[in-house]
Amino acid sequence: KNQVEQSPQSLIILEGKNCTLQCNYTVSPFSNLRWYKQDTGRGPVSLTIMTFSENTKSNGRYTATLDADTKQSSLHITASQLSDSASYICVVTRPSDYKLSFGAGTTVTVRA
Amino acid sequence: EPEVTQTPSHQVTQMGQEVILRCVPISNHLYFYWYRQILGQKVEFLVSFYNNEISEKSEIFDDQFSVERPDGSNFTLKIRSTKLEDSAMYFCASSEARLAGLSTDTQYFGPGTRLTVL
Repeated sequence: KNQVEQSPQSLIILEGKNCTLQCNYTVSPFSNLRWYKQDTGRGPVSLTIMTFSENTKSNGRYTATLDADTKQSSLHITASQLSDSASYICVVTRPSDYKLSFGAGTTVTVRA
Repeated sequence: EPEVTQTPSHQVTQMGQEVILRCVPISNHLYFYWYRQILGQKVEFLVSFYNNEISEKSEIFDDQFSVERPDGSNFTLKIRSTKLEDSAMYFCASSEARLAGLSTDTQYFGPGTRLTVL
């Protein structure tokens, strides 16, 4: 069964600090990987999109990496801000269909 | 910036009733999707829609569900005979291009409709 596993489930960091979120997937075949930010009670918002041939993609203070050989991705948040408090979701797509596979998300809480 | 809108923001219904959730995708988008998220759980794909027909659907999307694009702007999800376990956030999304393959097209989500079945 195709799966997307994220870790940690949640984390708390102080404002200004960095953090890294992990995503391991078994979806196969694989075409691209997306990271979304979901604020509480809101719809997900796209942060980065990487095809299997890309290793890294940045969007402001967010940097995603991808290792298609080990089927691992990470999302690094630099100099965190209070507004970064949200759930971060890893999503994997396959070449053939629209069935995006969602991870359960990592809940990040940034404290002053 | 264009956005996907959904109405209502919250729908409360009695078990067994029918509900229609409405979405207005971004105007130049061609691909439309419905997802649901049960409280505390991950987002789950329900169905994708293109060229006035269903492209893909998940195991969740059984005969209880149907989708329609009744006019040039709205995209609806109908749930017949609602059950308690249908209580969830329902998200509509749209994209300009197909998301499969090497597409890096952005998918835009609406704010969601919270459905509560009593």
